[in-house]
Amino acid sequence: TQLLEQSPQFLSIQEGENLTVYCNSSSVFSSLQWYRQEPGEGPVLLVTVVTGGEVKKLKRLTFQFGDARKDSSLHITAAQPGDTGLYLCAGPASGTYKYIFGTGTRLKVLA
Amino acid sequence: NAGVMQNPRHLVRRRGQEARLRCSPMKGHSHVYWYRQLPEEGLKFMVYLQKENIIDESGMPKERFSAEFPKEGPSILRIQQVVRGDSAAYFCASSLGQGGSGQPQHFGDGTRLSIL
Repeated sequence: TQLLEQSPQFLSIQEGENLTVYCNSSSVFSSLQWYRQEPGEGPVLLVTVVTGGEVKKLKRLTFQFGDARKDSSLHITAAQPGDTGLYLCAGPASGTYKYIFGTGTRLKVLA
Repeated sequence: NAGVMQNPRHLVRRRGQEARLRCSPMKGHSHVYWYRQLPEEGLKFMVYLQKENIIDESGMPKERFSAEFPKEGPSILRIQQVVRGDSAAYFCASSLGQGGSGQPQHFGDGTRLSIL
């Protein structure tokens, strides 16, 4: 069974600090997606990474896909209160049509 | 610019009643997924459907739960004889391409089901 484990589970930081969250698996994924979910809303897609070693930037967010396509990281520079939310990674389970979601990292950025 | 629309946003049912959750995918999307989310947890896959077909229902309990995506109209997730443990947020997502292909999924804002 493919699993995606995210760490840390909870993170509370001050505005302006940098942070990194991780998404790890023992299995290879053909692609990974990162989502942010705010309370009372559905997840919103941030990025899809496909190629091993790929790095994508979205303003202050940097996403990296591991060379072996078993892990990914999300780095936020100079965090802002608007970055607060639940960050989820997800990937297609091999040989099936379904997506597996990670356990999530709940980020709180204090002003 | 309609995204994925789910209704109702909140649904309260008593134990033993039926719950019907509706999902209209994004325009042009024919692939629909249903997920369940408990507080402080990630999303758990329930079922993947294409128009008129259930493709993968491996995450859906075999009893009391059913899903459909008719040729016309929204996808429906139906829970019969609800129990307290069914209380959760249920999310629908749609995509342009086949499930598992890496095509991005777009989510609705969910239906929060509460069982009294």
